[in-house]
Amino acid sequence: NFLLTQPHAVSESPGKTVTISCTRSSGNIASNYVQWYQQRPGSSPTTVIYEDNRRPAGVPDRFSGSVDRFSNSASLTISGLKTEDEADYFCQSYDTDNPGVFGGGTKLTVL
Amino acid sequence: QITLKESGPTLVKPTQTLTLTCNFSGFSFRTSGVAVGWIRQPPGKALEWLALIYWDDDKRYSPSLKSRLTISKDTFKNEVVLSMTNMDPVDTATYYCVHKPYNDISNLFDPWGQGTLVTVSS
Repeated sequence: NFLLTQPHAVSESPGKTVTISCTRSSGNIASNYVQWYQQRPGSSPTTVIYEDNRRPAGVPDRFSGSVDRFSNSASLTISGLKTEDEADYFCQSYDTDNPGVFGGGTKLTVL
Repeated sequence: QITLKESGPTLVKPTQTLTLTCNFSGFSFRTSGVAVGWIRQPPGKALEWLALIYWDDDKRYSPSLKSRLTISKDTFKNEVVLSMTNMDPVDTATYYCVHKPYNDISNLFDPWGQGTLVTVSS
């Protein structure tokens, strides 16, 4: 088993770019795909990135995902921040025993 | 369009067994590869995966909760049921039903149901 560690909170101004990290505690981050989910207050999570860097239909290209083997981390980058991007973001990966390993979540404030 | 909806008690007492039902539409367990799972989220906290059941009745459970969980499906009713025994106040959470696509290679959960808040209190 492994853990995924995210910063508790990040904040940035509208129009700027923010990156949220997700660090895997053991095992190779690149061995298993990473998903990113957005959860607005009072709503269910929705997918913004899957398979490390793919965007579902309807998710703007301001959202991008990447994986870095050297830091053993995945990252979600949101450019051209909008107030509507304010939400909690969760990363998720898996291993053979556990299909759903989630990070602790990052609260994004756009101010 | 795929939709999932959770139903069950909003309040259970400590030591009781929780039974939640997920009714879904837009896909079927007759499709090879599809799965339905449960994920929970305590108020203000992180997501925790609980269980998953596949089209072929293969079942997976969270290693930390395996002894308390049972997941089952009814293909004809498009329904998945999760039972969790010996409920405790720390199990207070919103419980989500989730779809795992038939062609998924990454353990993606999409979409999610609206969730149902279960409070454990005497």
